[in-house]
Amino acid sequence: EVQLLGSGGGLVQWGGSLRLSCAASGFTFTNYVMSWVRQAPGKGLEWVSSLGGSDGRAYYADSVKGRFTISRDTSKNTLYLHMSSLGAEDTAAYYCAKGYYDSLRAPWDNWGQGILVTVTS
Amino acid sequence: EIVLTQSPGTLSLSPGERATLSCRASESVSSTYLAWYQQKPGQAPRLLIYSAYNRATGIPDRFSGSGSETDFTLTISRVEPEDLAVYFCQQYGTSPPCSFGQGTKLEIK
Repeated sequence: EVQLLGSGGGLVQWGGSLRLSCAASGFTFTNYVMSWVRQAPGKGLEWVSSLGGSDGRAYYADSVKGRFTISRDTSKNTLYLHMSSLGAEDTAAYYCAKGYYDSLRAPWDNWGQGILVTVTS
Repeated sequence: EIVLTQSPGTLSLSPGERATLSCRASESVSSTYLAWYQQKPGQAPRLLIYSAYNRATGIPDRFSGSGSETDFTLTISRVEPEDLAVYFCQQYGTSPPCSFGQGTKLEIK
């Protein structure tokens, strides 16, 4: 059974940093694109970043480029999102999601629980 | 960027009724790259439909997808109380980035 267990959220001051983690199990981690998607309170879904499965190449939304870094530890089957220079617009629930296959052009068939990030002034 | 517009914003139906949710794209989307997700209150989204009409694993057959080019539809043949949720369409043909519709909220009377 595929499981994605997120952690690392919380309150952070404006301009601060935070690292989110997503521990994966039940599948071969490097065979799939892994992504972060966020949802501001009461709002829709926004893609944040993706990491290629076989090539480990990183991709970012323009809204986070230069501030967020996606990475993984294949020995721990864990995906990370390091966030810096946080602003109010980054307040959201963050989800890690597994691609249906190892392609950016694929839907996401498994999602972790939301990790709440609140940026305070 | 392809903009997806969903309608209606809110749909209020009684159990047993048919639900028809629309997703319109600002430009043509290959049906290969259109998905629907269900998000129940307080939960993560769940993949319902991919490639416009393929049901994801474990999804009941009362959920179906159709459409092409710029107009796509999610149909729930007979709504059940457990279908209370927000439904999002997504196009992933231009990924990255992909784009989402703003969602349709399904209320159960």
